[in-house]
Amino acid sequence: ETGVTQSPTHLIKTRGQQVTLRCSSQSGHNTVSWYQQALGQGPQFIFQYYREEENGRGNFPPRFSGLQFPNYSSELNVNALELDDSALYLCASSLVSTFTDGELFFGEGSRLTVL
Amino acid sequence: AQRVTQPEKLLSVFKGAPVELKCNYSYSGSPELFWYVQYSRQRLQLLLRHISRESIKGFTADLNKGETSFHLKKPFAQEEDSAMYYCGASGSRLTFGEGTQLTVNP
Repeated sequence: ETGVTQSPTHLIKTRGQQVTLRCSSQSGHNTVSWYQQALGQGPQFIFQYYREEENGRGNFPPRFSGLQFPNYSSELNVNALELDDSALYLCASSLVSTFTDGELFFGEGSRLTVL
Repeated sequence: AQRVTQPEKLLSVFKGAPVELKCNYSYSGSPELFWYVQYSRQRLQLLLRHISRESIKGFTADLNKGETSFHLKKPFAQEEDSAMYYCGASGSRLTFGEGTQLTVNP
């Protein structure tokens, strides 16, 4: 059973650029969540996808968007990058679409630096 | 608004001492409560969840609905418990606190 993998592990972008981060969920998990973790902060919920549809979103602007594919992989896209977007982006997969009982399995994250 | 508060960013104890990591939540309804842990150079992982009523690695957490708290406790801390601990509460989404860095000194 493979775990959650994310790519790239590190990347540097400049303000105004666009970035795509990728995640491969744990096998059999049909739900993926994305979190932003700024330095010294806890993970902040961005959005969740269940069976390729967004079914929950945190307080993030529309320039944060995502996709989930039938093969359990997913993407987080951020347009018009701002300096404050610099953070660790975590992908987490789970077997159920609700959080009341589901355990989240996290990847190691993609660290984005915006200059 | 859903909110999880961990009042201590840093907590340092000696090996064998009791440890308590505090967590308070503000949530509408009855959220499910979790503790996640991140050991050095490892990924974030579930430690325990209230619904399971379990004890993991000697840790327990008691839900106090009156005080809206879910403090994590261990009677005798070990050096390998040194890690970052995040309290989480879920309803429609899993909300994390800002974390407490626990250091257990020899």
